[in-house]
Amino acid sequence: SAVISQKPSRDICQRGTSLTIQCQVDSQVTMMFWYRQQPGQSLTLIATANQGSEATYESGFVIDKFPISRPNLTFSTLTVSNMSPEDSSIYLCSVEGEDGVYEQYFGPGTRLTVT
Amino acid sequence: GQNIDQPTEMTATEGAIVQINCTYQTSGFNGLFWYQQHAGEAPTFLSYNVLDGLEEKGRFSSFLSRSKGYSYLLLKELQMKDSASYLCAVRDNTDKLIFGTGTRLQVFP
Repeated sequence: SAVISQKPSRDICQRGTSLTIQCQVDSQVTMMFWYRQQPGQSLTLIATANQGSEATYESGFVIDKFPISRPNLTFSTLTVSNMSPEDSSIYLCSVEGEDGVYEQYFGPGTRLTVT
Repeated sequence: GQNIDQPTEMTATEGAIVQINCTYQTSGFNGLFWYQQHAGEAPTFLSYNVLDGLEEKGRFSSFLSRSKGYSYLLLKELQMKDSASYLCAVRDNTDKLIFGTGTRLQVFP
């Protein structure tokens, strides 16, 4: 299994500002995933990040709002831009296992509150 | 559209058995996963089913019927630490993981 760390663990931000969340994995992985979990709801995939190419965004999420970087095989960042209170959520990064089951391992999450 | 249904909440007593059901309608099927998520923590992988039948892993078992679009997670000999949310997720035909809203289980002494 992979060990994933995220920074920051939580933040309180003002409306209109941006926050960059970092995700570090202890092994090289092909794909990294960014999810959002709004209060009382389940996980929603924002985008898939591959090293060396642009991220693939899911319906309802756009690059201008959630730019993603993937500079190498162990690291990725997600920026939440021009934040509004509706962006208050937990943001999690994840990677897939490579044992044929492809279960996902999640980072501890970043709890974002926008005031 | 893609839809995964689970009960919102369940309660059970320590030492008992509880079954959490999940029904799904997705664009294709490439496997079903169960995750456990304690409050304030990240989800952790519990089980995986891709063929019909029962998969057993210690106190936890997961069942799948692809023809019925149905799965359940069975927890035996419940412990207080099993109080958590349990998420059902299906991998669709694009290999995207679709999550249900989760079932919050409370175990009482």
